[in-house]
Amino acid sequence: DIQMTQSPSSLSASVGDRVTITCRASQTIRTYLNWYQQKSGKAPKLLIYAASSLQSGVPSRFSGSGSGTDFTLTISSLQPEDSATYYCQQTYSTPQFTFGPGTTVNI
Amino acid sequence: QVTLKESGPALVKPTQTLTLTCTFSGFSLSTSAMCVSWIRQPPGKALEWLARIDWDDDKFYSTSLKTRLTISKDTSKNQVVLRMTNMDPVDTATYFCARTAYTFGPFDYWGQGTLVTVSS
Repeated sequence: DIQMTQSPSSLSASVGDRVTITCRASQTIRTYLNWYQQKSGKAPKLLIYAASSLQSGVPSRFSGSGSGTDFTLTISSLQPEDSATYYCQQTYSTPQFTFGPGTTVNI
Repeated sequence: QVTLKESGPALVKPTQTLTLTCTFSGFSLSTSAMCVSWIRQPPGKALEWLARIDWDDDKFYSTSLKTRLTISKDTSKNQVVLRMTNMDPVDTATYFCARTAYTFGPFDYWGQGTLVTVSS
């Protein structure tokens, strides 16, 4: 199975900061990489799919990039409502849809 | 409007079988490429994909749990059912169902989740 890692595991930042989260796959997944945001007690919400496509309704301060094994999620100007845990997920090795361990963003 | 909602027991005893139902609306599992998955999340831990059923009744399971899982669908009722046998306290988690609109696609809609506690 493909393994996903994320770094950092947590971070603290201030409103207005630019934040970058990294996700790495144990083998190539081309661009079959998605990002989710999960707030406490809630279901995950899709932010980015296919590595860089913004899901409808998601603020444009969120962006994704990468291909192969290395990917990044960037929040260009952190807002108070962005406090959450962020997960990457691969859908290349269907159907073992592995999630990363998560990155918690504190503001 | 696409919605999904999980239902099932909040508490099960060790060794029992868990049966969860995902009832959805706004799409049909008889539509080509539609899929529904089950995902779980132990308290304070990461997401873990469990199983998926496709519009054509193909079924897929987590490698580590496949001997304990059975997924099925009732297209007429817009429901997907997950059965997990031999429950253990380590299976305590919030269980989510989620939709995928195409085979390699993301989980674009999620249910709210249901917490299942395994305890005697």
